[in-house]
Amino acid sequence: GNSVTQMEGPVTLSEEAFLTINCTYTATGYPSLFWYVQYPGEGLQLLLKATKADDKGSNKGFEATYRKETTSFHLEKGSVQVSDSAVYFCALSRSTDKLIFGTGTRLQVFP
Amino acid sequence: EAQVTQNPRYLITVTGKKLTVTCSQNMNHEYMSWYRQDPGLGLRQIYYSMNVEVTDKGDVPEGYKVSRKEKRNFPLILESPSPNQTSLYFCASSFQGYGELFFGEGSRLTVL
Repeated sequence: GNSVTQMEGPVTLSEEAFLTINCTYTATGYPSLFWYVQYPGEGLQLLLKATKADDKGSNKGFEATYRKETTSFHLEKGSVQVSDSAVYFCALSRSTDKLIFGTGTRLQVFP
Repeated sequence: EAQVTQNPRYLITVTGKKLTVTCSQNMNHEYMSWYRQDPGLGLRQIYYSMNVEVTDKGDVPEGYKVSRKEKRNFPLILESPSPNQTSLYFCASSFQGYGELFFGEGSRLTVL
């Protein structure tokens, strides 16, 4: 079946460090891929998305490229800030009825 | 302001006492869904609704009911809550069933 696998957290970084959060997926056909972010005490919100192979989604300095050959959608940011501390969820969609989420990766950024 | 509103945000209850978590959206979205979030398991879909009067089971529907009598509202009903339903619940909506979901702030439920 369709599934998403994310790296275990927490990921702990100093401010201005480079961030990578790995995400791989299993799906038939060509899913759409998403990253959602959940700040403390809040619901999830869409961070970026890509709908076809080789697409790059980007927002707020974060980027992720849809890699069909490696079935991956890794999240990257060149210089993290304390305010980026949150839980990040990778997700895929293959149908109109739901998103399938990974287990989430907590990011902690220290000054 | 476009939003999904859930109530209550926090609730402690006892086994077997029926409860309802309300969800309302003001974006005229067709699609609404309920998820539960548990440590190590991520978000799992409970029920979803493609439109008014149309609902269907997600991955973990046991012990839950929903209804969609109006486009804006999608309440989650726990007829006889049990401790394994202790969780953080999220309601979400979108124009379609995929793509950008708009989430509520969550309802933390504890069943003793």
